[in-house]
Amino acid sequence: DAKTTQPTSMDCAEGRAANLPCNHSTISGNEYVYWYRQIHSQGPQYIIHGLKNNETNEMASLIITEDRKSSTLILPHATLRDTAVYYCIVRPRGGSEKLVFGKGTKLTVNP
Amino acid sequence: GAGVSQSPSNKVTEKGKDVELRCDPISGHTALYWYRQSLGQGLEFLIYFQGNSAPDKSGLPSDRFSAERTGGSVSTLTIQRTQQEDSAVYLCASSYFSYNEQFFGPGTRLTVL
Repeated sequence: DAKTTQPTSMDCAEGRAANLPCNHSTISGNEYVYWYRQIHSQGPQYIIHGLKNNETNEMASLIITEDRKSSTLILPHATLRDTAVYYCIVRPRGGSEKLVFGKGTKLTVNP
Repeated sequence: GAGVSQSPSNKVTEKGKDVELRCDPISGHTALYWYRQSLGQGLEFLIYFQGNSAPDKSGLPSDRFSAERTGGSVSTLTIQRTQQEDSAVYLCASSYFSYNEQFFGPGTRLTVL
């Protein structure tokens, strides 16, 4: 079973920041937080992951709270092409290597 | 560089027939995964390969499903005696090592009539 809770859907205006929350209150010390997204009719796409520090790459930023019980994925300037389902996944390093997907958040970027 | 490729992109078959789905992972990736995505079940894990061995087959739904990987590269997922509930998009992913991020292919859409 997925160990994360995400809102079912969110809307964002084009050009604005999209902030997608994720709750993972039962996360353990050796588990990473991963974010993937799935654009309609495509395979999931890796976005970013982190353990406890905030992370940034060319796609997004990941903010993890100090207690690690929640995180936020930030798309700084959302475009129409960012419309997708976003999945937050906790994944142990050295344990089960599979990804367990929940239902994710359907983000709609509006013009 | 080239990503994960899957073939065929679409497959329509009749109930009771066997099907083979192919995955070509990213060159050099040691880990390979199969998932499937159906309307009712979302994205679910099927099997994981490290090299040519499969340490985790826990997601295979029945003994009609099997998979192999040869030469540490190409993998084939075989479904015998297909049923209508097998209709789904079958996704393959690979990663450099098992703890690295996974890169997904475009999937094979299987329709069982």
